[in-house]
Amino acid sequence: NAGVTQTPKFRILKIGQSMTLQCTQDMNHNYMYWYRQDPGMGLKLIYYSVGAGITDKGEVPNGYNVSRSTTEDFPLRLELAAPSQTSVYFCASSIDQPQHFGDGTRLSIL
Amino acid sequence: GQQVMQIPQYQHVQEGEDFTTYCNSSTTLSNIQWYKQRPGGHPVFLIQLVKSGEVKKQKRLTFQFGEAKKNSSLHITATQTTDVGTYFCAGPISSGSARQLTFGSGTQLTVLP
Repeated sequence: NAGVTQTPKFRILKIGQSMTLQCTQDMNHNYMYWYRQDPGMGLKLIYYSVGAGITDKGEVPNGYNVSRSTTEDFPLRLELAAPSQTSVYFCASSIDQPQHFGDGTRLSIL
Repeated sequence: GQQVMQIPQYQHVQEGEDFTTYCNSSTTLSNIQWYKQRPGGHPVFLIQLVKSGEVKKQKRLTFQFGEAKKNSSLHITATQTTDVGTYFCAGPISSGSARQLTFGSGTQLTVLP
């Protein structure tokens, strides 16, 4: 019972590099979300999707892009990594409520 | 914009003491959810409250939703070391679909043995 799977678990990037954070879920959930969590802070919504082919911006979308070509996958793309993007990134999915979270990707930009 | 605030930010208790965290929203919420995040882990759903004045219990945890549906609390009786973690409340974003959530900043609970 995998649930929500995120890869990689850890990554260090140099300023200006790009990368894709992968997220896949096997629960056939329509809704998927990307959050970032800075130390000692709550979760900030970056992007979300209500189904394959449909995505929309959350609270903090600048510097990120997403796509949703299938129900299962919702990758998050960082095009030009900046130190301010150092954070823990969580992917989540849901049918309605509640949201089910992956284990997170810990990303450092140096 | 919509804000969800939690207090306190940190709480240290001796094992066996009680603990309470409070959540306040700037807008009326259709429901409120509580999540727990263990150190180094991911948020895990605990409960959802929907009705005004609702009270729900899960063993030593008691959750309340305010009459005006703008505030909520989580009370833990006789804390144990397994209660360590950060507790978040979250409410639906009023301007978005009912599935988007605004999270509070969390209360980090430390239980001293």
